[in-house]
Amino acid sequence: GAGVSQTPSNKVTEKGKYVELRCDPISGHTALYWYRQSLGQGPEFLIYFQGTGAADDSGLPNDRFFAVRPEGSVSTLKIQRTERGDSAVYLCATSPGPNTEAFFGQGTRLTVV
Amino acid sequence: AQKVTQAQTEISVVEKEDVTLDCVYETRDTTYYLFWYKQPPSGELVFLIRRNSFDEQNEISGRYSWNFQKSTSSFNFTITASQVVDSAVYFCALRGGGTSYGKLTFGQGTILTVHP
Repeated sequence: GAGVSQTPSNKVTEKGKYVELRCDPISGHTALYWYRQSLGQGPEFLIYFQGTGAADDSGLPNDRFFAVRPEGSVSTLKIQRTERGDSAVYLCATSPGPNTEAFFGQGTRLTVV
Repeated sequence: AQKVTQAQTEISVVEKEDVTLDCVYETRDTTYYLFWYKQPPSGELVFLIRRNSFDEQNEISGRYSWNFQKSTSSFNFTITASQVVDSAVYFCALRGGGTSYGKLTFGQGTILTVHP
């Protein structure tokens, strides 16, 4: 597809479980971002990749959160020992470069029960 | 630190009214970029506009216009002759230069409801 694709669209998991959220970027986009949007709030930055490397991971809330982009394309956000407070919509965005507009996917709605 | 404030949590208008969404930002960067995004009920953030800090010219695109004023650190968004399809959450965002160029800082969003 032409846009940013995120899978799954919805994920329900039990507290304490491990989850992986996937982002397929627009072809050729080197910059990739993960954001978290809680209900009624604006998206909050988690991590930014330029190519394969995490150029800025200052938004990851703690060491339970980790993201990879091994080949500079698809990225996976990994959350260990999920907590109910992790429930949110996780958004992925990509852009051709760091100072151009970012195109967002439709997000993965994560619910931790 | 960077900050974006959208003071209006919710706005309700009747179709064909003009409406202005306010955005005030804070940054120590001399080079930065400002954005507006629309989030319809489907949830996907839709890019509307990007301005850099060196270009204070106002911009008009159809019914949309943007007023960027560095003196007041504001980047306001006006919809002229609003339509029901404009109903959505609108976010203002800031991307800094230097070490913070890789991330967007979003405001809390303004929920716009346009009634027929």
